[in-house]
Amino acid sequence: DQQVKQNSPSLSVQEGRISILNCDYTNSMFDYFLWYKKYPAEGPTFLISISSIKDKNEDGRFTVFLNKSAKHLSLHIVPSQPGDSAVYFCAAYGGSNYKLTFGKGTLLTVNP
Amino acid sequence: GAVVSQHPSRVICKSGTSVKIECRSLDFQATTMFWYRQFPKQSLMLMATSNEGSKATYEQGVEKDKFLINHASLTLSTLTVTSAHPEDSSFYICSASWAPNTEAFFGQGTRLTVV
Repeated sequence: DQQVKQNSPSLSVQEGRISILNCDYTNSMFDYFLWYKKYPAEGPTFLISISSIKDKNEDGRFTVFLNKSAKHLSLHIVPSQPGDSAVYFCAAYGGSNYKLTFGKGTLLTVNP
Repeated sequence: GAVVSQHPSRVICKSGTSVKIECRSLDFQATTMFWYRQFPKQSLMLMATSNEGSKATYEQGVEKDKFLINHASLTLSTLTVTSAHPEDSSFYICSASWAPNTEAFFGQGTRLTVV
C-alpha cells in the first residue's frame, strides 16, 4: 500500500521552462512534506519542505504547493536548468515521529 | 546545512563475509537515525530505525539477524550486513534528523557489491 505516490516516473522539460513535479498521498496523518533531489550513486539532498498549515512555500526557483483537500502537492521549478536533471522524491512525515515515507521518484530531464 | 557522513562509499566483498557501514552525524546529535536500501529504479525502502542506546526497530520483511544495527552514541550508527549474499548487493543510505518534522539529512550512500 503506497501512501506517497509519484505517478510520473519521468518528465522532460526544455531549459528555461517550468518543471512541475506532482505527488499524491493517502494518509491523512501526514502533516509535513519534503522534496529531495537525488543524483545517481549519491544520497538525496533536501530541497524544500512545507507544513500542512501552509499551502505554498517558495525558495528561489523552487516552489512547493500543497492542496490538503486533494491530498496533493507539487514542486515547481522555474526556470528549469540542465543541472536540475535528477530524480526528485516526494516525502512525508506523519505525526510526531521521524519516519519519512517516500514516493518512487520522478526522473526530471532538462534539455539545453 | 547539517552533515551526515557515511562510510565507505563503495565496498566489494565476498559472499559469506560481513560488511560494516558507518553513519555519522557530524554537527548535531541524532537520537534517531534511519537506514534505507535502494534497488535500481525504485524508491528508497526504509529498512530500520536506529535508536541511540536501545534496539533498532526493523520494518516488516527485514531480517534482524542479517542486518545488524548498532547506535552506540548520539553521532554514530552502524549497519552490518552479515553473511552477505549477492542478492544483498544494493545501495544503502542512512539519514538523521535532530527533531521530528524537520528535514532529514542523508549520507552519501554505500554501494555494496557481493561477489
